[in-house]
Amino acid sequence: RKEVEQDPGPFNVPEGATVAFNCTYSNSASQSFFWYRQDCRKEPKLLMSVYSSGNEDGRFTAQLNRASQYISLLIRDSKLSDSATYLCVVNRGGGADGLTFGKGTHLIIQP
Amino acid sequence: DADVTQTPRNRITKTGKRIMLECSQTKGHDRMYWYRQDPGLGLRLIYYSFDVKDINKGEISDGYSVSRQAQAKFSLSLESAIPNQTALYFCATSPGGPGEQFFGPGTRLTVL
Repeated sequence: RKEVEQDPGPFNVPEGATVAFNCTYSNSASQSFFWYRQDCRKEPKLLMSVYSSGNEDGRFTAQLNRASQYISLLIRDSKLSDSATYLCVVNRGGGADGLTFGKGTHLIIQP
Repeated sequence: DADVTQTPRNRITKTGKRIMLECSQTKGHDRMYWYRQDPGLGLRLIYYSFDVKDINKGEISDGYSVSRQAQAKFSLSLESAIPNQTALYFCATSPGGPGEQFFGPGTRLTVL
């Protein structure tokens, strides 16, 4: 099983729709989870951290299921500017530093 | 002003040439990282450094070396560049622990 797995997409979604991405991770010792956003040819930037209790930031909601080792990101009322690649990121855990990045899910919002 | 800067932003070089990519940060972070990104492969860790005296290999360190000249500077060298080192290279920093990393704008390297 790969360390962090994501559906690469692309997800083609009409503007205003709701879209959800999922991610699974293999390291049960991981303790920190993030969603990063990466625009074409740009650097990844933190979108939001993912907490055990779930968290919401405006139109974005992140959920963590530790038992299933599963992370999700929900985007409501999608905007054209949401078009990007979304990277699921998990820390290595077990005392090892560093983050493991998923390969990303490509989202295209269509007018 | 950018907190994490990388130079050069684009570089084309020939097989066998030595090349150095530089990273500087003004965030005051101890930890610095070098990644490469290839289409379909995602971000892969090359080297990382917890402080000036600490250098660690990542998952794909072969063919690369690094130097941590100061807390704020971390450079990546390709001693003898080869075409499969063509990629987008990112430097990142973090304050420590399992938290967020902050990325530079990237260096696009092409090895002919």
